Amino acid sequence: GAGVSQSPRYKVAKRGQDVALRCDPISGHVSLFWYQQALGQGPEFLTYFQNEAQLDKSGLPSDRFFAERPEGSVSTLKIQRTQQEDSAVYLCASSLGWAGAYQETQYFGPGTRLLVL
Amino acid sequence: KNEVEQSPQNLTAQEGEFITINCSYSVGISALHWLQQHPGGGIVSLFMLSSGKKKHGRLIATINIQEKHSSLHITASHPRDSAVYICAAKPAGGTSYGKLTFGQGTILTVHP
Repeated sequence: GAGVSQSPRYKVAKRGQDVALRCDPISGHVSLFWYQQALGQGPEFLTYFQNEAQLDKSGLPSDRFFAERPEGSVSTLKIQRTQQEDSAVYLCASSLGWAGAYQETQYFGPGTRLLVL
Repeated sequence: KNEVEQSPQNLTAQEGEFITINCSYSVGISALHWLQQHPGGGIVSLFMLSSGKKKHGRLIATINIQEKHSSLHITASHPRDSAVYICAAKPAGGTSYGKLTFGQGTILTVHP
């Protein structure tokens, strides 16, 4: 596609409900990041994939958060038993090659705004 | 203290004014991004720079590696420039995976 897409754009969940957020990176992009952005704050790193390998999940706030990218393209961020503090915008970004390389820039999706009631 | 800090947090300007947003960082970086985020929208990368200065239209970004400081300037500001501007540090080091550390953002409002 032309850019990174995410779905749904908005999600309202009741506390305790499980949610799944989808990211479609730019076709052919190797690297994929998930970030969490609380209201009024800058984004914070959650996890990183290089193709299908999850190389860094140090930012996932709890074991209720799980991410996968089984075929190295589409990724899903799953949150189990949602809590109110999970309310945030979840951003996905992709880059063509290894994201640590200087010349690589990250392309961001529109985000999924999650509200947990 | 956050690794990446921006100032000001909020900025209001009149159309046509010259605007400066500052970013200081404490980590070693390989590059610094300036990003723009509109309400309800995703993030757009404006610049990525590791030295000197870059210019695109009315936007100018500068970085001073020794002082660990970067600035984003907007000349002849316009109401459509109203957005949140975020600086993000791309850390140096082979194991960093390029994960960005973000500032808290500067909310810019330009009035006609």
